[in-house]
Amino acid sequence: EAGVVQSPRYKIIEKKQPVAFWCNPISGHNTLYWYLQNLGQGPELLIRYENEEAVDDSQLPKDRFSAERLKGVDSTLKIQPAELGDSAVYLCASSSGQGVYNEQFFGPGTRLTVL
Amino acid sequence: GENVEQHPSTLSVQEGDSAVIKCTYSDSASNYFPWYKQELGKRPQLIIDIRSNVGEKKDQRIAVTLNKTAKHFSLHITETQPEDSAVYFCAASKEYGNKLVFGAGTILRVKS
Repeated sequence: EAGVVQSPRYKIIEKKQPVAFWCNPISGHNTLYWYLQNLGQGPELLIRYENEEAVDDSQLPKDRFSAERLKGVDSTLKIQPAELGDSAVYLCASSSGQGVYNEQFFGPGTRLTVL
Repeated sequence: GENVEQHPSTLSVQEGDSAVIKCTYSDSASNYFPWYKQELGKRPQLIIDIRSNVGEKKDQRIAVTLNKTAKHFSLHITETQPEDSAVYFCAASKEYGNKLVFGAGTILRVKS
C-alpha cells in the first residue's frame, strides 16, 4: 500500500512569512497526527484528528499554528507568522483506528528552515 | 502527562555484539510501547511493539521486555550489523490511537 505522503519535503522561508504543509494519509486511515521533531529529539504531538474532528490539539500553539482536515482525508498544517524557533521537521502520521492498539505510520516529514 | 526517558543517548558497539536501550515511563495508565527506528533524513519506522499484557516479545534479532511494576521497557538487538546503525526511539501510549510520547532517542553506531 502507498505510505503517508507529505509535501513539500523541504521549505526555506524568511521569518514572519507564512508556510503550509500538506499530508495525505494512508487510504482508509481515520486517525491523523501532526508531530514536531526538533533536531536530536523525539517527535512531539501537535494535533490529532479522528476523521475531520481535532480531538487533541492541546500542544498546538494556536496563536500562530492552525490545522485542518476538512473532508477527513488530507490535512494541512499552517504557521503564520513563522519564527526562527519553528525550524524543525514536521511529521505527519496516520493509523487505521481499528482495534484497541494500532500502529502509527509516519510520512517522510517536511524539513522547515526559518531564516 | 506522560514522560518517557531513554538511555543511553549514544551507543557504539562492535558488529556482532548486542545492544540494549532502556526507557522508563511515568504514567501507569500507558499500555502500548512501540520502538521506532529512524535512519538519517528518513521517516520513523516501527520495528517492534509490546502491549502491557505481555512481558516480552521477540522478532528475529530484536526483542523487547516490559516491567510494568518498575515502569520500564527495553530494546535488545543481538548480533548487530552495520545496517542497524540509526536513531532508535521508544514511545508510550494509552490505548486506541492516543498520542505517542517519545523518548529523546538513542544513536546506535555499529562498527564493522
